[in-house]
Amino acid sequence: QKEVEQNSGPLSVPEGAIASLNCTYSDRVSQSFFWYRQYSGKSPELIMSIYSNGDKEDGRFTAQLNKASQYVSLLIRDSQPSDSATYLCAVKTSYDKVIFGPGTSLSVIP
Amino acid sequence: EADIYQTPRYLVIGTGKKITLECSQTMGHDKMYWYQQDPGMELHLIHYSYGVNSTEKGDLSSESTVSRIRTEHFPLTLESARPSHTSQYLCASSEGSGWVDTQYFGPGTRLTVL
Repeated sequence: QKEVEQNSGPLSVPEGAIASLNCTYSDRVSQSFFWYRQYSGKSPELIMSIYSNGDKEDGRFTAQLNKASQYVSLLIRDSQPSDSATYLCAVKTSYDKVIFGPGTSLSVIP
Repeated sequence: EADIYQTPRYLVIGTGKKITLECSQTMGHDKMYWYQQDPGMELHLIHYSYGVNSTEKGDLSSESTVSRIRTEHFPLTLESARPSHTSQYLCASSEGSGWVDTQYFGPGTRLTVL
């Protein structure tokens, strides 16, 4: 079992819809969780970080964390073609390492 | 905006050559990382450092080596390049204190070994 897993893509949604990206992790003592976006041929960049159970909203993006179930998700509302990218979930483990998931490719269809 | 730099951005080189990929950051971050990523594939951690004179191998076996003599500088060296080393190499750094451990990535070096 991988330490950080993400729902396999590619994920396609129509423009204006909600895109839902999921991530599960194995280290139940993990405390910090990150979502990165990576456009094709570019480097990953941080979208959001979340540390407490519940929701955290930033514009069209909402991160949701459920430590009991060991999952973190990212919702993108009103998806735009410019949101088409690969989304990487990252988890800071109890042994002080940040582990990246394999990523989910999102395609927003105009 | 993250201040982390990588040179060269693109490198085409013949088999057997020694190469060094440069990575520098001006944020004073203690933690630095090297990742390898093929197109459309996941990130693989190949080396990391938590401070000067501290280096560790990552999860993916790599024939490269690294050094950390100065906080801001984390070069990666391949003693004898092979076609299997063809990939994108990404450098990153983070402050790493407590829960906040955001990694800032450089623009990457795309290496092609002929």
